[in-house]
Formats: sequence, C-alpha cells, structure tokens
Amino acid sequence: DAGVIQSPRHEVTEMGQEVTLRCKPISGHNSLFWYRQTMMRGLELLIYFNNNVPIDDSGMPEDRFSAKMPNASFSTLKIQPSEPRDSAVYFCASSFQGSRAKNIQYFGAGTRLSVL
Amino acid sequence: TQLLEQSPQFLSIQEGENLTVYCNSSSVFSSLQWYRQEPGEGPVLLVTVVTGGEVKKLKRLTFQFGDARKDSSLHITAAQPGDTGLYLCAGAPPGYGQNFVFGPGTRLSVLP
Repeated sequence: DAGVIQSPRHEVTEMGQEVTLRCKPISGHNSLFWYRQTMMRGLELLIYFNNNVPIDDSGMPEDRFSAKMPNASFSTLKIQPSEPRDSAVYFCASSFQGSRAKNIQYFGAGTRLSVL
Repeated sequence: TQLLEQSPQFLSIQEGENLTVYCNSSSVFSSLQWYRQEPGEGPVLLVTVVTGGEVKKLKRLTFQFGDARKDSSLHITAAQPGDTGLYLCAGAPPGYGQNFVFGPGTRLSVLP
C-alpha cells in the first residue's frame, strides 16, 4: 500500500486566497484525521471522521476552516480566506477503528502551507 | 481539556549514551502512544501502552506506562544517530474516542 497520500506537499499563497488540501487515506481504513503542526502549538487535532461522517470538529479554529469527506477514499481541508497565522504543516492520518483494532494512526507526509 | 507535557524539550547526547524522556499529565488516558517524527515526514507510531504499569520493549527502546495511566517514559539504551528525531507522546481519552491529545514533543539529537 502507498500509505496516506497528501497533496500538495508545499503550498505558498497570499493572504485572502482559498487553500484546499487533499488527502487519500489507506484503503480499508474507516477513520480519517486532520492535524496541524506548528512550533508554538505542536500537533493539534482539527477534525476526525469515522465512516465518512465528522465525529469531532472541536479543534477546527474558526469558520474559515472546513473539511469534507465525500467518500472513503478522499478528504479535503479548505481554508477560506487564508491568513498568515494559518501557516503550518497540515497532516492527514487514517486508521481502522474496530472492536479489536489497536487504533494505529498512519500519517501522511504533510502539506507545508505558507500564507504570505 | 486533557493536556500532555513532555520533558526535556530538547536533548543532545553522544552516541552510546542512555537517555530517558518523559510524558506527563494530570488526566487519565485509556492508552498512550509514542511516535517518532523525522524532518519532512509525518509521525510514525512506535508503541501503544494500554495497561497501568505496562512495560514494552522495542529493541533498545523501553516504554513504560504509569500505574495510574497518567504518565509514561521512554528509555533509549546506547543511543545511535538513527534515533535522532522528534519523539511525541499521544494520549487517548477514556472510552472509544479517537481524539488523541499530543504532547509538544522531545527533540532528540544523537551525535556520532
């Protein structure tokens, strides 16, 4: 398996522009997570889905952030409008959540976002 | 809100030395995980500990979960340059929730 695939790997944009980050989870996994990592705040969970349904979005900073999972093999995280303080590395992770699963999250390589 | 603290924040040692890093919280977790993250990559899971007092070994790495399931330690014996990276602990809330809380990490540098 290719693992969790994120695109783009790097994104540079100007303040006010819309940014869309993409994630393809590992085939067969039923949970998907979006994280943000910064030096100041570390790794923060933004939102996670189970069976394509958002379960906990309490980590989403504000209304400018939105996430969707239209099917089991694709998810997007959108920031509109973007601001310089959104600059960070955004990670997507997936796992299989079952009655006997060990709840192992597999992370993608991340998208490094710079908002100028 | 459940918070995790890690210490030390930074650690630079010589190859062959032993070290211990700590992960502490005032909250109880149903399980705790340790990850290692290398530059430009996502975190990679090293181990999951579930039972209070549990000890797990992974080659030169020894992980321990506190009896009260509020803290954990990672001990590395005879560190090697390949151990260099950011070590993160993550706690799972009680129940079946998957909203893991991550600590800020310990950045380890092992010099040859």
